[in-house]
Amino acid sequence: AILLTQSPSLPASVGDRVTITCRASQGISSALAWYQQKPGKPPSLLMHDASSLESGVPSRFRGSGFGTDFTLTISSLQPEDFATYYCQQYNSYPLTFGGGTKVEIK
Amino acid sequence: QVQLQESGPRLVKPSQTLSLTCTVSDGSITSGGYFWSWVRQHPGKDLEWIGCINYSGSTRYTPSLRSRLTISVDTSKNQFSLTLTSLTAADTAVYFCARGTTWVDLWGQGTLVTVSS
Repeated sequence: AILLTQSPSLPASVGDRVTITCRASQGISSALAWYQQKPGKPPSLLMHDASSLESGVPSRFRGSGFGTDFTLTISSLQPEDFATYYCQQYNSYPLTFGGGTKVEIK
Repeated sequence: QVQLQESGPRLVKPSQTLSLTCTVSDGSITSGGYFWSWVRQHPGKDLEWIGCINYSGSTRYTPSLRSRLTISVDTSKNQFSLTLTSLTAADTAVYFCARGTTWVDLWGQGTLVTVSS
């Protein structure tokens, strides 16, 4: 199975530019999705194909990367963005998720 | 707008079998060519994809659970189900039903299943 590695936490302040990284154990082309999850809720899809933003997701979210290294950037962190972010690969089965990065108040 | 809702027991004893059902509402499980998935989240935060099925019964399972897992579909009830045998404490998790076999674009609210005697 493909392993996805994320840093567990990222302290930040409102207004900060935030970059969350996801590294795959082998190349996955652009077959990567990002999710946001808040406590007690299911994950919510932010983007797929590494950089395709889902309808309704604010444009301050941007995804990039190809192969093994991917980033999710929030250009100006808003109060509602404090959450845990997960990457997920769908290049091959089984589908796998990263361990999640919790964006928390600095 | 299509919605998903999990149902099933909240507490199961070790060695027993877990059966969960996901009901698809405000839409048909047979439309759109979707696969329907189960994902679980262990206490802490790790997300684990369990497997998926389409309306015709074609399935994909994660290898680590394959020997204990069955996913089935009932198109007449607009439901799909998960059966997991020989439960241990390591199966304690929030179980989500979801739509998608690549990225997941729709999730149920999740149901916490605790394996304990």
